[in-house]
Amino acid sequence: AQSVSQHNHHVILSEAASLELGCNYSYGGTVNLFWYVQYPGQHLQLLLKYFSGDPLVKGIKGFEAEFIKSKFSFNLRKPSVQWSDTAEYFCAVSPNTGGFKTIFGAGTRLFVKA
Amino acid sequence: DGGITQSPKYLFRKEGQNVTLSCEQNLNHDAMYWYRQDPGQGLRLIYYSQIVNDFQKGDIAEGYSVSREKKESFPLTVTSAQKNPTAFYLCASSSASGGRTYNEQFFGPGTRLTVL
Repeated sequence: AQSVSQHNHHVILSEAASLELGCNYSYGGTVNLFWYVQYPGQHLQLLLKYFSGDPLVKGIKGFEAEFIKSKFSFNLRKPSVQWSDTAEYFCAVSPNTGGFKTIFGAGTRLFVKA
Repeated sequence: DGGITQSPKYLFRKEGQNVTLSCEQNLNHDAMYWYRQDPGQGLRLIYYSQIVNDFQKGDIAEGYSVSREKKESFPLTVTSAQKNPTAFYLCASSSASGGRTYNEQFFGPGTRLTVL
């Protein structure tokens, strides 16, 4: 069965620290990849997505993610986090077969200390 | 404003009662979804619908039912058969543009259901 693994459930960083959240998936075919973010009290929203092309994708608020096909990974990065990045982050994978569902990881709660 | 609305925001239910959670979207999206969010478990898919009058079970459909009579509406009923219904429920939708059936999903604000 397809699955998505997020390596860290809780991450605590100080402001200006660099961030990398791991995401691995299990599916052998072509996939669409997403990172969603849920800020406290807000809707879940898209942070960035990858469908094809350049494996390094940039999203909102300075986030980026790199798709490494050989490692089935789509790690999220940010060079310098801010207190406002405190949120829960979800990696999601959608097999690109048409008519299929999206599978979400368990989420990573990030807390940034001011 | 385009978006997804869910109601109510908070819902309390006695054991043995069925309850229906509302989800409406005005984004003209074809696909709609219901997820359950529990701490440490991420989002788990309950049901999804690709078009009107059609829907499929997700990973945890037992104890739930849905209907899709209109494109913009996808209500979820939590039945008394659901053994652990206390959770946060999220509705989402997505378009089918660009030849990709499932693009990014847009989420509603959620309904927190508590069974007393």
